[in-house]
Amino acid sequence: AQSVAQPEDQVNVAEGNPLTVKCTYSVSGNPYLFWYVQYPNRGLQFLLKYITGDNLVKGSYGFEAEFNKSQTSFHLKKPSALVSDSALYFCAVRERPGNAGNMLTFGGGTRLMVKP
Amino acid sequence: GAGVSQTPSNKVTEKGKYVELRCDPISGHTALYWYRQSLGQGPEFLIYFQGTGAADDSGLPNDRFFAVRPEGSVSTLKIQRTERGDSAVYLCASSLFAQTDEQFFGPGTRLTVL
Repeated sequence: AQSVAQPEDQVNVAEGNPLTVKCTYSVSGNPYLFWYVQYPNRGLQFLLKYITGDNLVKGSYGFEAEFNKSQTSFHLKKPSALVSDSALYFCAVRERPGNAGNMLTFGGGTRLMVKP
Repeated sequence: GAGVSQTPSNKVTEKGKYVELRCDPISGHTALYWYRQSLGQGPEFLIYFQGTGAADDSGLPNDRFFAVRPEGSVSTLKIQRTERGDSAVYLCASSLFAQTDEQFFGPGTRLTVL
């Protein structure tokens, strides 16, 4: 079975400072990893994904994430936070082909609060 | 271009009633997914369609839940004999091909069972 853990319910950061939102995963094989963001009363928006290749992936709105296989982590990062980044962030995993489900398993979410 | 749309945006019903939730995926997307998101939690998988067929319905909580996608485009999630515990936001997503592509989510239907 696949699972995702987001150990922090909330992350607080000052505008202009770097931010990190943590994610660890568990799958029996190799993973596909995703980050989504959810703004109030809106659907989930795709930020970035790791499929294969370079462990550092870059996504929308200046976000990036680093895949670390040995630590089974896929932390989301941004060098300089904006107040408009304040939202709910979800990490998700899907096991590579071999699992017929193709479903995404999501973490519980981390609320990012960026203060001016 | 148009994204995934879901109707209604809100649905209030009484315990025991039947409800239908509709999802209109992005044109050309062959894979369609239903998830359920309870307050303060991440989305949980319900069912996945590849084309017209349900390729994986392992997330449906019980036989009161059923979904169809008869023409490989629009999908309807059907809930019979609703219970208060069914209250949640029901999310639909679609993707081009199932394996490596990201899923694009609709805004969701907020279902409230009184």
